Amino acid sequence: EPEVTQTPSHQVTQMGQEVILRCVPISNHLYFYWYRQILGQKVEFLVSFYNNEISEKSEIFDDQFSVERPDGSNFTLKIRSTKLEDSAMYFCASGKEWYNEQFFGPGTRLTVL
Amino acid sequence: DAKTTQPNSMESNEEEPVHLPCNHSTISGTDYIHWYRQLPSQGPEYVIHGLTSNVNNRMASLAIAEDRKSSTLILHRATLRDAAVYYCILRDVSRNNDMRFGAGTRLTVKP
Repeated sequence: EPEVTQTPSHQVTQMGQEVILRCVPISNHLYFYWYRQILGQKVEFLVSFYNNEISEKSEIFDDQFSVERPDGSNFTLKIRSTKLEDSAMYFCASGKEWYNEQFFGPGTRLTVL
Repeated sequence: DAKTTQPNSMESNEEEPVHLPCNHSTISGTDYIHWYRQLPSQGPEYVIHGLTSNVNNRMASLAIAEDRKSSTLILHRATLRDAAVYYCILRDVSRNNDMRFGAGTRLTVKP
């Protein structure tokens, strides 16, 4: 069964450094999403992406964040200058249509020191 | 966006049915009711969704009240693997909107 994959599983970085989190969505999906979950808290929507542009973004997704689909398979989340409070699990998800189910990846744990 | 209300936690015994309630009194006509779950240390996982009629799939059943202001996710025989946080989420299909998770219901399954 096809699944969403994410790399790396764990990323440790210094405050102020740039990080890129990578996701490979399910191949015939057209809608892509990033969420984050701070330890012990709820899952928070960051951004949705369709047809090579952002469809919707939350108030968390400020100028420090960007997303890109650089080729036909990868979907990336970049954080330009990481802050301590960016430490969280980041989940990528994809879906065929926006109104149907989203398939989530296993997540990348980002630790900012 | 219409909000949902769920109990913080529930307990069940293994191999017994579990009924997880969700209230959504401000639901609109174009809101679908989605359920996801998150097992420990994993990403959320789709369970089921519906609009008006009750729905069944291999994982669970979804019972939707006639006025659509509440719904119940039914796990017919809980297993230890069903211990997770269960989220009830409304999604408006008239527009491509984001999916907002609440705190969900933490289900504990006792052997």
